[in-house]
Amino acid sequence: GIQVEQSPPDLILQEGANSTLRCNFSDSVNNLQWFHQNPWGQLINLFYIPSGTKQNGRLSATTVATERYSLLYISSSQTTDSGVYFCAVDGSGGSNYKLTFGKGTLLTVNP
Amino acid sequence: DGGITQSPKYLFRKEGQNVTLSCEQNLNHDAMYWYRQDPGQGLRLIYYSQIVNDFQKGDIAEGYSVSREKKESFPLTVTSAQKNPTAFYLCASSMWGGAFSEQYFGPGTRLTVT
Repeated sequence: GIQVEQSPPDLILQEGANSTLRCNFSDSVNNLQWFHQNPWGQLINLFYIPSGTKQNGRLSATTVATERYSLLYISSSQTTDSGVYFCAVDGSGGSNYKLTFGKGTLLTVNP
Repeated sequence: DGGITQSPKYLFRKEGQNVTLSCEQNLNHDAMYWYRQDPGQGLRLIYYSQIVNDFQKGDIAEGYSVSREKKESFPLTVTSAQKNPTAFYLCASSMWGGAFSEQYFGPGTRLTVT
């Protein structure tokens, strides 16, 4: 099946700093989603982005489907950005339902 | 308010007992899913259902069972055959296919089996 690798595994920032999280995947995709898992375990949808670029406030994401990677940018980080960020994909060889998750990036933003 | 609800938030069971986790959605989504998350790991798919009265196994279905009698509901039973049932269980739903396949998640149920 499709492989998903996220980097870095851990990231510690001071409030106000910018960061880039990366997601590499091993096959072409129909579906790519970025999630933020908060300290209570809730998965919050950030972006649905199988290709192209999207922005939502301080967050933006870019997926380069031909090169099989996606980037999540966080600007002017805040302590509330802390948590685990997951990338999840579905390979184009299957239907649009079976998301495969990476292991996540644990982000800690210090005041 | 539209969304996905899971109950209970925390569940404790003795080894050897079956336990059923509830998942309800009022988003009018066709598809529903169950994932399992272990500490420090990503999510893994247990079962999914595209339509009422139909469901398929995911990557780690052994020791679990599901039913889909109503579009809004997709309960998961963790049976005594599941060797390591202690985990965080997340339910999700989506429209079916194409541009509407974005999955949305419920708040999860933490199951502890001793």
